[in-house]
Amino acid sequence: NAGVTQTPKFQVLKTGQSMTLQCAQDMNHEYMSWYRQDPGMGLRLIHYSVGAGITDQGEVPNGYNVSRSTTEDFPLRLLSAAPSQTSVYFCASSPGDTYTGELFFGEGSRLTVL
Amino acid sequence: DAKTTQPTSMDCAEGRAANLPCNHSTISGNEYVYWYRQIHSQGPQYIIHGLKNNETNEMASLIITEDRKSSTLILPHATLRDTAVYYCIVRRPYNTDKLIFGTGTRLQVFP
Repeated sequence: NAGVTQTPKFQVLKTGQSMTLQCAQDMNHEYMSWYRQDPGMGLRLIHYSVGAGITDQGEVPNGYNVSRSTTEDFPLRLLSAAPSQTSVYFCASSPGDTYTGELFFGEGSRLTVL
Repeated sequence: DAKTTQPTSMDCAEGRAANLPCNHSTISGNEYVYWYRQIHSQGPQYIIHGLKNNETNEMASLIITEDRKSSTLILPHATLRDTAVYYCIVRRPYNTDKLIFGTGTRLQVFP
């Protein structure tokens, strides 16, 4: 049982490049989300999904796209990377529905945009 | 969702109890109080949550005041490995709810 797996762990991009951060969970969780964390700051919600085929925006969605074609996967796409998107990105999941328990986080993906 | 207020930083001696306060004066009746922590730059880790009663698990205790406007997370015997940023979050228990993190309290446990 791997939990929440994020790839890659580290990535360096040039301004204007595109890339996809991958997130997969093997716990059959309905709810998945992406956060970003800038140095010295708390986590800010980018996008989230309450089930396959359903996504919604969080606090800071601009510059990011998501899709949820399967329960297991929730990729985050940067279409045209900007230096302001340099951050650590965390993916999280939970069973969803009226579940009141915990979010399970991945170990993070560290992105630098030059 | 209700906002929370936490001190920016706290110190605690190893072996002593660490008491981390959180103010959530605008909490509504169906909102739970959650605590997470983040050690160094790892992914946040769930600690405990509660609605109105005090809660205890193997990691910590959560004390919620009777009016639910504040709470305290207690680490009974802090160790150096408890040095982390601790987040207090108020959340409604619905599947469309969004867990919103603030800046948290940086707890430094010293020898």
